[in-house]
Amino acid sequence: DAKTTQPTSMDCAEGRAANLPCNHSTISGNEYVYWYRQIHSQGPQYIIHGLKNNETNEMASLIITEDRKSSTLILPHATLRDTAVYYCIVMRTNAGKSTFGDGTTLTVKP
Amino acid sequence: NAGVMQNPRHLVRRRGQEARLRCSPMKGHSHVYWYRQLPEEGLKFMVYLQKENIIDESGMPKERFSAEFPKEGPSILRIQQVVRGDSAAYFCASSPGLNSGANVLTFGAGSRLTVL
Repeated sequence: DAKTTQPTSMDCAEGRAANLPCNHSTISGNEYVYWYRQIHSQGPQYIIHGLKNNETNEMASLIITEDRKSSTLILPHATLRDTAVYYCIVMRTNAGKSTFGDGTTLTVKP
Repeated sequence: NAGVMQNPRHLVRRRGQEARLRCSPMKGHSHVYWYRQLPEEGLKFMVYLQKENIIDESGMPKERFSAEFPKEGPSILRIQQVVRGDSAAYFCASSPGLNSGANVLTFGAGSRLTVL
């Protein structure tokens, strides 16, 4: 599975959009991009995933560049409860395990 | 529709004792994954199982650790002769399988093991 690179930490003002980048320059054609987050010491929570097209759900939007070498997770109106570690994972179709890196610690400030 | 259920949520053991952690996957999910998170560290994959089969145990320590997912009942992560370094949060996740292409994991709340 392709390796991902994320910034260690980011801050965001409450109510503003949080844009979390992820580089996956070695991604293969059959690999999906997944985003999870872990709030404090809770179990990780799935956010969104995509293959080629941009995706949106009730939690976030995922923007994948045309060459698929990077992506951005967008939380449109960040709240204090969005403070968490955000993990970007790349994994091929029909793969089993997901490998979590160090993620980005997002701190939403009032 | 209950999510992934893990128990116990907290477990305290003395060095040398055994720890058994249980995980019941979401209804309809046939794949189970175990991850370990040491204090102040990230999630580390341990093992991936289907019913009665271990598919990938590349993250399991060579000794003292074992996992099973029997035909009936929950998945069990067993740690024999625990040591202080085993103190961690152990997370279980489940997924419906790989037939749909994407493999989205649903995680439980975790079991926190403390070894005295």
